[in-house]
Amino acid sequence: DADVTQTPRNRITKTGKRIMLECSQTKGHDRMYWYRQDPGLGLRLIYYSFDVKDINKGEISDGYSVSRQAQAKFSLSLESAIPNQTALYFCATSDALAGGYNEQFFGPGTRLTVL
Amino acid sequence: GENVEQHPSTLSVQEGDSAVIKCTYSDSASNYFPWYKQELGKGPQLIIDIRSNVGEKKDQRIAVTLNKTAKHFSLHITETQPEDSAVYFCAASGPQAGTALIFGKGTTLSVSS
Repeated sequence: DADVTQTPRNRITKTGKRIMLECSQTKGHDRMYWYRQDPGLGLRLIYYSFDVKDINKGEISDGYSVSRQAQAKFSLSLESAIPNQTALYFCATSDALAGGYNEQFFGPGTRLTVL
Repeated sequence: GENVEQHPSTLSVQEGDSAVIKCTYSDSASNYFPWYKQELGKGPQLIIDIRSNVGEKKDQRIAVTLNKTAKHFSLHITETQPEDSAVYFCAASGPQAGTALIFGKGTTLSVSS
C-alpha cells in the first residue's frame, strides 16, 4: 500500500551495529505498529503506538526500541543488532475512529540481514 | 493473553476446488477476526473480516464463519484460481480500543492449474 512507506527496503548490516528502520504514512491514522515476520512464525508484534504520546510493548520487544516522532512517523531501532534479528519487518497503521475493529494497513516491508 | 492457532500450514488445491483454512483463539473476549492475504514480496492485505455479533460473512468467492462457543473461525475460498496462491493469516483482537491484533502463523495456499 503506497500510503504506508518503509525505508530502507533492504538492509545488510553486521552484528553490534545500530540500525533504524523508518515508517511513514499518509493515511492520517493515529495507530502505528511494528511487526517482524519469520518463516513459519507468522507476524509477531514488536511495538505499537496509539498516538504520539503512547508507546506499548508487543510480544517480542526485547532488543528493540521505537520512537513516534509525529502522527505520521514511527521508527524502529535495533540498538545492537544480532543475527537472530534477521527477518522481514513490517510497519502497519490503523484508524482509531474505527473503534475496536482495527483494520490494519501494511507497508511493503524491510528485509534486514544481520551478519 | 490471546493465542491464535492456524491450520494447515500449507494447502495445495487444484484450480476450481475449494480451500478451507481454520483458526482457533483462546480469549473468549476477542470480538474481531480479520483475514489477511500476503502475496510474494508484499505486505499483508485485509481480504475479509468478521465481528463477534455475526456468524458468517461472504464476499464473492470468499467467506468467513465464526463459532464463538467453540472459539474458532474459518476462511472458505470457492472456485480457487491461480491468483489465490498466497500466504493467508488469520488474526484476533479484543473489545477494548487499545487491543492489538494477534496473528496466526499463516497458511501457504498453492493453486495449481
